[in-house]
Amino acid sequence: GNSVTQMEGPVTLSEEAFLTINCTYTATGYPSLFWYVQYPGEGLQLLLKATKADDKGSNKGFEATYRKETTSFHLEKGSVQVSDSAVYFCALRPAPDNDMRFGAGTRLTVKP
Amino acid sequence: DTGVSQDPRHKITKRGQNVTFRCDPISEHNRLYWYRQTLGQGPEFLTYFQNEAQLEKSRLLSDRFSAERPKGSFSTLEIQRTEQGDSAMYLCASSTQGRQETQYFGPGTRLLVL
Repeated sequence: GNSVTQMEGPVTLSEEAFLTINCTYTATGYPSLFWYVQYPGEGLQLLLKATKADDKGSNKGFEATYRKETTSFHLEKGSVQVSDSAVYFCALRPAPDNDMRFGAGTRLTVKP
Repeated sequence: DTGVSQDPRHKITKRGQNVTFRCDPISEHNRLYWYRQTLGQGPEFLTYFQNEAQLEKSRLLSDRFSAERPKGSFSTLEIQRTEQGDSAMYLCASSTQGRQETQYFGPGTRLLVL
């Protein structure tokens, strides 16, 4: 079936550290891949997306590359800030289905 | 604010009562989705509408759950005879139609069944 597995948290980093949150997926066909972020007390916000192999999504200094050969969509940021503290969800939308499949989320805490 | 809105934001009810939640999507979006999110988990798909038609329902959506979108704009999700296991965050999302669609989420309704 279609599913997403992401790195278990919590992850705690110091400000300006490098961030990687691993995400791998299982899907039939050619899914679209997403990272959503949920700040404390808020709803999910789209962070970035990629719709085909080798696409790189980027936003707010975060990047993720759609790797079909390794079925991965790892989230990276070169220098995290305290304001990046949130829960990050990897998700896929199988084609041609419409429902999103989410990972369990990874809580990131960035300390000053 | 032209994002997805949900009402109420919080609901506390007693087991066995009925509850209804409302979602107002982004105005030009013809697709509307409901998800459920329990603590420490990612959202799980419940159902989705294209305009007023309910096109897909998850097996998570038991007979006690019903969703409507009568005029293709706002939607309601009703839970009858609530159980403690229904306690969760109920999320609504909307999108346009097409391969490049992105779902935009509302803030959610947090339900606590006592």
